[in-house]
Amino acid sequence: GAVVSQHPSWVICKSGTSVKIECRSLDFQATTMFWYRQFPKQSLMLMATSNEGSKATYEQGVEKDKFLINHASLTLSTLTVTSAHPEDSSFYICSAHRGTQSPLHFGNGTRLTVT
Amino acid sequence: DQQVKQNSPSLSVQEGRISILNCDYTNSMFDYFLWYKKYPAEGPTFLISISSIKDKNEDGRFTVFLNKSAKHLSLHIVPSQPGDSAVYFCAATTDFGNEKLTFGTGTRLTIIP
Repeated sequence: GAVVSQHPSWVICKSGTSVKIECRSLDFQATTMFWYRQFPKQSLMLMATSNEGSKATYEQGVEKDKFLINHASLTLSTLTVTSAHPEDSSFYICSAHRGTQSPLHFGNGTRLTVT
Repeated sequence: DQQVKQNSPSLSVQEGRISILNCDYTNSMFDYFLWYKKYPAEGPTFLISISSIKDKNEDGRFTVFLNKSAKHLSLHIVPSQPGDSAVYFCAATTDFGNEKLTFGTGTRLTIIP
């Protein structure tokens, strides 16, 4: 069964508004979660590493003020897309390791459409 | 700089035959390689992995081969089934249980009944 849950699965918002995406580890604690983004017909690109209790680590080219990450507990990380624009429309996926020597498990993703 | 590459964007295979998906990488620091399967509008699902100290790992119908000197890996699926139709991503990491993954561009596999 699923070990990483992501919500919502899809969301449509207007330009200029903010959208929050939640990622939960279901039966394990995750001190680290990874947020990926996938544009149509492209690869999954790592956006940032979410660290419980500390600041997220962002990949080069990802605006930290636009993509706010909060990892307030060992089972929940949130990604907030602030002041969304149509070019932010994408498929956002979170992931976590269930334990050491465990592959990354992914949530089912969130399809964001900004109109 | 694409460190993990899948040069075939698509592949069609007859049901029952072998599917071979290929992947090349450039970063010699990668120690572990993984294959994920992805359906539209879903997150990737882990299939199989291999450590750089091995050259083959098998799990049921799935076998991954690693040629470290050539920086090349492949996924073999035999026999191929209609449910195998999906996009397959290879991924690489420097630390299997702890670090981020770098993904290839994906290969869309279509199994023809």
